[in-house]
Amino acid sequence: GQQLNQSPQSMFIQEGEDVSMNCTSSSIFNTWLWYKQDPGEGPVLLIALYKAGELTSNGRLTAQFGITRKDSFLNISASIPSDVGIYFCAGQLQRSGGYQKVTFGTGTKLQVIP
Amino acid sequence: NAGVTQTPKFRVLKTGQSMTLLCAQDMNHEYMYWYRQDPGMGLRLIHYSVGEGTTAKGEVPDGYNVSRLKKQNFLLGLESAAPSQTSVYFCASSYRTGTVNTEAFFGQGTRLTVV
Repeated sequence: GQQLNQSPQSMFIQEGEDVSMNCTSSSIFNTWLWYKQDPGEGPVLLIALYKAGELTSNGRLTAQFGITRKDSFLNISASIPSDVGIYFCAGQLQRSGGYQKVTFGTGTKLQVIP
Repeated sequence: NAGVTQTPKFRVLKTGQSMTLLCAQDMNHEYMYWYRQDPGMGLRLIHYSVGEGTTAKGEVPDGYNVSRLKKQNFLLGLESAAPSQTSVYFCASSYRTGTVNTEAFFGQGTRLTVV
């Protein structure tokens, strides 16, 4: 099945640094979602984006819906130890009626060095 | 409000054994999903359900069956477990508002090892 290209696959950063990760697709979406998975837990939604070009923040997190509708970016500012986890992007093509498939990225594993 | 609850959390099976993973949600969501998560593969959809009494195949349905006899429950069955089914399994649910499917709410996962 289709997978989104998410990069980087993993990263080690120092506490206090900013982090950027992105997701690209060969097909367009009209919804982009960013999830975080803490160790031993299920993914939890961080940010949802519904319009091309949209820039949305949630505390230290900022995500953007790419203009081409084929990509999205997530930035974390001033990282802290609890930012550790796996970050997943997910794309969805919303249409009226029925189930709309969600495609998940392969994840970015973030480790923060105190 | 418990959200999405999965049982069991851990299980070890021998090759050829069968088992059922249970998922319950208390949010009255229409849609429910079963995913498997493998290293470097992200989340892959096994089966899903858009309502009570209905199920459909996802990306990787082979070797699994599901049932949704009640709206709040979605069961995942392994008929004859194989080592390739060693994975972490996540159940999730979501609902529709207008024409938009909301984001998925995930359970805590079931770590299954087949030896």
